[in-house]
Amino acid sequence: QVYLKQSGPGLVKPSETLSLTCTVSGGSITNYYWSWIRQPAGKGLEWIGRIYTTENAITNYNPSLKGRVTISVDTSRSQFSLMMTSMTAADTAVYYCVRGPDEFWTEWGQGILVNVSS
Amino acid sequence: SDVLTQPPSVSVAPGKTATISCGGHIVETKGVNWYQQKPGQAPTLVIYDDTDRPPGIPERFSGSNSGNTASLTINRVEAEDEADYYCQVWDSTNDHPAIIGGGTKLTVL
Repeated sequence: QVYLKQSGPGLVKPSETLSLTCTVSGGSITNYYWSWIRQPAGKGLEWIGRIYTTENAITNYNPSLKGRVTISVDTSRSQFSLMMTSMTAADTAVYYCVRGPDEFWTEWGQGILVNVSS
Repeated sequence: SDVLTQPPSVSVAPGKTATISCGGHIVETKGVNWYQQKPGQAPTLVIYDDTDRPPGIPERFSGSNSGNTASLTINRVEAEDEADYYCQVWDSTNDHPAIIGGGTKLTVL
């Protein structure tokens, strides 16, 4: 059974860049879609973006995040990462890394709470 | 842009049937997926592609899609079914392909 674990800082200052990593164990990282999804406290889910780990890693991003997001993969380490620039208080949320086939999400990490505060 | 509309809340007595709707134009042409999220936990996929259940999901959970409304039905509701439920559609033709409903809080009375 695949297991996903997020790691990264729990606190980020406004205007700084968030960097999160998802480590995948118990399964292959290749030939799947790996997404980042976030959820502000008490609110719904927001898809951030994804990477498809084929020979040429293909990315899709939520256009609402206006070019602030980069998702990358390191297959040698079975990890994929999220970078989000220009963080504000509105980005405070639980961030999930998620695996799926093309159109839905089957396995989720436990989530990591990221607070944006000075 | 496409929107999925869910009722904010649904209440049901134990042993009864709960139905959660998910409406939107996109539902007419795309498969709908459903997630259950219990407090403090990550979401779990309970229905995909309108009607399919992943392994380990009880048969009490079923999905349907007709016209512009998809539904998640939970038969013989149990206390452990109390959770937030989200519908979701993937539209690869859209710049914003991941369309997620606002969620429904299911309360077991």
